[in-house]
Amino acid sequence: DGGITQSPKYLFRKEGQNVTLSCEQNLNHDAMYWYRQDPGQGLRLIYYSQIVNDFQKGDIAEGYSVSREKKESFPLTVTSAQKNPTAFYLCASGLHNEQFFGPGTRLTVL
Amino acid sequence: DQQVKQNSPSLSVQEGRISILNCDYTNSMFDYFLWYKKYPAEGPTFLISISSIKDKNEDGRFTVFLNKSAKHLSLHIVPSQPGDSAVYFCAASRGSNYKLTFGKGTLLTVNP
Repeated sequence: DGGITQSPKYLFRKEGQNVTLSCEQNLNHDAMYWYRQDPGQGLRLIYYSQIVNDFQKGDIAEGYSVSREKKESFPLTVTSAQKNPTAFYLCASGLHNEQFFGPGTRLTVL
Repeated sequence: DQQVKQNSPSLSVQEGRISILNCDYTNSMFDYFLWYKKYPAEGPTFLISISSIKDKNEDGRFTVFLNKSAKHLSLHIVPSQPGDSAVYFCAASRGSNYKLTFGKGTLLTVNP
């Protein structure tokens, strides 16, 4: 099946710990994106990558880091520098203007 | 500065009637618009899109209208079904950048 997978669905971490969220796609899309959703808010762009080995900051990149070593994979690390890391994180891959989303990871920092 | 605005946080409609969800934008450089549907704890799913060279696009029960002079677009769902109950996000992009700017969403509830 073609699609985008994010793992795990739910993630709990202690404050001060870094955590990496996984995103894999087999749609052969060049572009991949990470968004964050908070209650009552739209989706806010964290980082995006339009090609392997290249990525750009989105609107709220502080406290996050990414890598894009393979076309299929775009992991997001939430560092201890992120002040409010508890949120629902969504990964997407894109073909031209249309983006297709994974199921999301709910991160809770205790 | 919110460039894409969905001013109605929620909308309630009877089954079989029309649902109209609205979206306004401020950036005149946006040239492609999309609607996504999202259920709780799931990723958004793409519904329908429209390019700025058109003023209407239809796909089954879903129609999107674009009024460039008013910087306004709307999504019409006819007839509405209980399974349409979800949060609907409007999004916009410009040129070949392909970054999407999202509104905050409208929760649609379709009552049987």
